[in-house]
Amino acid sequence: AQSVAQPEDQVNVAEGNPLTVKCTYSVSGNPYLFWYVQYPNRGLQFLLKYITGDNLVKGSYGFEAEFNKSQTSFHLKKPSALVSDSALYFCAVRGMNTGFQKLVFGTGTRLLVSP
Amino acid sequence: DAGVTQSPTHLIKTRGQHVTLRCSPISGHKSVSWYQQVLGQGPQFIFQYYEKEERGRGNFPDRFSARQFPNYSSELNVNALLLGDSALYLCASSLSGARNQPQHFGDGTRLSIL
Repeated sequence: AQSVAQPEDQVNVAEGNPLTVKCTYSVSGNPYLFWYVQYPNRGLQFLLKYITGDNLVKGSYGFEAEFNKSQTSFHLKKPSALVSDSALYFCAVRGMNTGFQKLVFGTGTRLLVSP
Repeated sequence: DAGVTQSPTHLIKTRGQHVTLRCSPISGHKSVSWYQQVLGQGPQFIFQYYEKEERGRGNFPDRFSARQFPNYSSELNVNALLLGDSALYLCASSLSGARNQPQHFGDGTRLSIL
């Protein structure tokens, strides 16, 4: 069975500082990994994905994520946080052995960027 | 270009009623998936449809059903509503049914059961 763990309910960071939102996954075989962001009263917005290849993936709005197979992690990072980055972030996994597009999501991490 | 559009945005029903939620995918997208997001949790997969056929089903009771139309829009139907069905229902579309494709989400329908 596939699963995702986001160990931090909330991450606090000051504007201009680097941020990291953690994600670990469990899946049979190689994973497809995704990060989404959700603003209040909105749907999920796609940030980036890891399919194969380079372990450092670059996405929208200056976000990037590092895939680490040995640690089964896919942490989201940004070099310099903005107040407007404050939102709910979800990590999701899809197994390559899955016959369809089901995404399994973590419980989300709330990012709060203070001015 | 328009993103994924869902209607209605909000809906209030009572226990035992039936509800139909609608979704229009991004133009050119042929795959539609439905997710349920209960407050404080991540979305849970309900269905995926591709080329008008069901491709996958999550762990939801038979009260939940869906279909996809020739124009690739989709409906989610829920019968005999329970209080626990109160949630944000999200529709997501992707270009194809391929597993490496990202899904793009609409803003959802917030369903409240009284």
